[in-house]
Amino acid sequence: DVKVTQSSRYLVKRTGEKVFLECVQDMDHENMFWYRQDPGLGLRLIYFSYDVKMKEKGDIPEGYSVSREKKERFSLILESASTNQTSMYLCASSYLDREEGYTFGSGTRLTVV
Amino acid sequence: QKEVEQDPGPLSVPEGAIVSLNCTYSNSAFQYFMWYRQYSRKGPELLMYTYSSGNKEDGRFTAQVDKSSKYISLFIRDSQPSDSATYLCAMSPNAGGTSYGKLTFGQGTILTVHP
Repeated sequence: DVKVTQSSRYLVKRTGEKVFLECVQDMDHENMFWYRQDPGLGLRLIYFSYDVKMKEKGDIPEGYSVSREKKERFSLILESASTNQTSMYLCASSYLDREEGYTFGSGTRLTVV
Repeated sequence: QKEVEQDPGPLSVPEGAIVSLNCTYSNSAFQYFMWYRQYSRKGPELLMYTYSSGNKEDGRFTAQVDKSSKYISLFIRDSQPSDSATYLCAMSPNAGGTSYGKLTFGQGTILTVHP
């Protein structure tokens, strides 16, 4: 089975902290994505990457950065966490040129207090 | 206007009912259409995908695409309590290329099937 593993299921951080969310996939997928999911707003794309060291902004990149040093790992960084970043964060991966859709991780529920 | 519109529900049906979930979209370039199922506190999982117009059946599930109307549907026959989840539609103009297979998602419909 394809696996996308997110390092934490639940995380509580303080306002102003630097937060790292890690995602690892084991299927040699080229694409990796970070979304946040909020009630009433659905899934919103933060950043994606189609290759090592490559990154592209999604729809809501402000307040976030990403790192992809290895093909299997894609990290989301909250530079200075704020309460409006409290959300469910979902990592996904996919092949670059095959119509098989995304494989999602189980999500990280982040609470910023 | 959102590119993809999906009624968030919630939708509540008795066990055994036929469920119809729908999405409309505005981007005529969309070619790949998918349905994801998301159980509570889990990530979405791919349920079905179709290319262009037509129907696709998999067990109790049927996905339907009408590109002329920019409308897609997911039908669940003989619904079960285990079908209770959020269902997300998603679509893409192509499998890769310049869009890198990026999907545009609907808001999701919350479905509850009562025993």
